Amino acid sequence: IAGITQAPTSQILAAGRRMTLRCTQDMRHNAMYWYRQDLGLGLRLIHYSNTAGTTGKGEVPDGYSVSRANTDDFPLTLASAVPSQTSVYFCASSPSPGVNEKLFFGSGTQLSVL
Amino acid sequence: QKEVEQNSGPLSVPEGAIASLNCTYSDRVSQSFFWYRQYSGKSPELIMSIYSNGDKEDGRFTAQLNKASQYVSLLIRDSQPSDSATYLCAVNPYYNNNDMRFGAGTRLTVKP
Repeated sequence: IAGITQAPTSQILAAGRRMTLRCTQDMRHNAMYWYRQDLGLGLRLIHYSNTAGTTGKGEVPDGYSVSRANTDDFPLTLASAVPSQTSVYFCASSPSPGVNEKLFFGSGTQLSVL
Repeated sequence: QKEVEQNSGPLSVPEGAIASLNCTYSDRVSQSFFWYRQYSGKSPELIMSIYSNGDKEDGRFTAQLNKASQYVSLLIRDSQPSDSATYLCAVNPYYNNNDMRFGAGTRLTVKP
């Protein structure tokens, strides 16, 4: 089934550890995104990529990095995790970065930083 | 003021009734508007998009947009228990294609 695969599904992480959240899509979408979802705050954009080889910062990029080596993969790395990064992380994609494009979401990663 | 505001709810309606979900946004240059449905523990899924003033209907769902009032709404007719979910309003401004802003969501419960 075509879509977005995220891994792991959930993770408990000690503060200060490095963690990479994986995201792979098989829809050949050009644009990919990482959001975090926190209660009462909704979804907030962390980083995005309009096409392979390019990335950009979203609303809340501090403490996170991304790479886009190819069309399908868009990993999110927390270099040194802090408790405030406890959240549900969603990877999303769209066929293009156009303003009218809808987003397709992965199933999410629940991350707890202790 | 948040860029996209929604009443957090919970909004409770009886089965068969019309559920009305509202959203206001602060950026006047916003061009595209979306409603996503999110079941508990699941990922958001798109149910409606609207780009011009007026109403857009799709089955039991109607999206309404009023750019002058910076207001977008979602009506769900003949509400079913399966409609119970959190509904997220999303707004995409004209100047940055990758800057879709989401409201915190309204939790809807449809009681049998």
